[in-house]
Amino acid sequence: SQQGEEDPQALSIQEGENATMNCSYKTSINNLQWYRQNSGRGLVHLILIRSNEREKHSGRLRVTLDTSKKSSSLLITASRAADTASYFCATDAGTASKLTFGTGTRLQVTL
Amino acid sequence: KAGVTQTPRYLIKTRGQQVTLSCSPISGHRSVSWYQQTPGQGLQFLFEYFSETQRNKGNFPGRFSGRQFSNSRSEMNVSTLELGDSALYLCASSPTVGGNTIYFGEGSWLTVV
Repeated sequence: SQQGEEDPQALSIQEGENATMNCSYKTSINNLQWYRQNSGRGLVHLILIRSNEREKHSGRLRVTLDTSKKSSSLLITASRAADTASYFCATDAGTASKLTFGTGTRLQVTL
Repeated sequence: KAGVTQTPRYLIKTRGQQVTLSCSPISGHRSVSWYQQTPGQGLQFLFEYFSETQRNKGNFPGRFSGRQFSNSRSEMNVSTLELGDSALYLCASSPTVGGNTIYFGEGSWLTVV
């Protein structure tokens, strides 16, 4: 079963704009990870944020985590056409390597 | 170093047959997990192995099984294939269990006809 929902389900923006995706989850977590998936390909790891962290940055990516609201957001700044992909959040409870995934956001970046 | 390697990348099987998928984790990683991705159910956890022992199993029928070898390589097997087993099967690895970045392979596309 899915841990939670991602919002929006689909997002279309122009190159250079920022893209924000939100993820909500249902149970307590240890870590939350974001992944990118190009059509028909595997998952590429973007960033891991631990439950005691509130914000993390990696290049053009910024991730926030609000454990009180059981939600996370992924911000991609200055989007490029190559950012076109599906983005998933995934949570774990810490005692295993079992990830529970959200439903994903399909991002389309047009020139 | 090399990433997670899955073979085969694409395969077509007939209903009732069985299939074995292979996964080589990143060198030094001892935890291997498997996921099924379908348009209807999304990404779902199948099972996790560490040191040749199954640590967790998802909510899948007994037709789905797996194993891990002493070199951490893993295989999963699906017997008596059904049309609904058509999916992208993803393998992932991490250094140990819990609290680590988990890396995925490119997946094996299984089509059951």
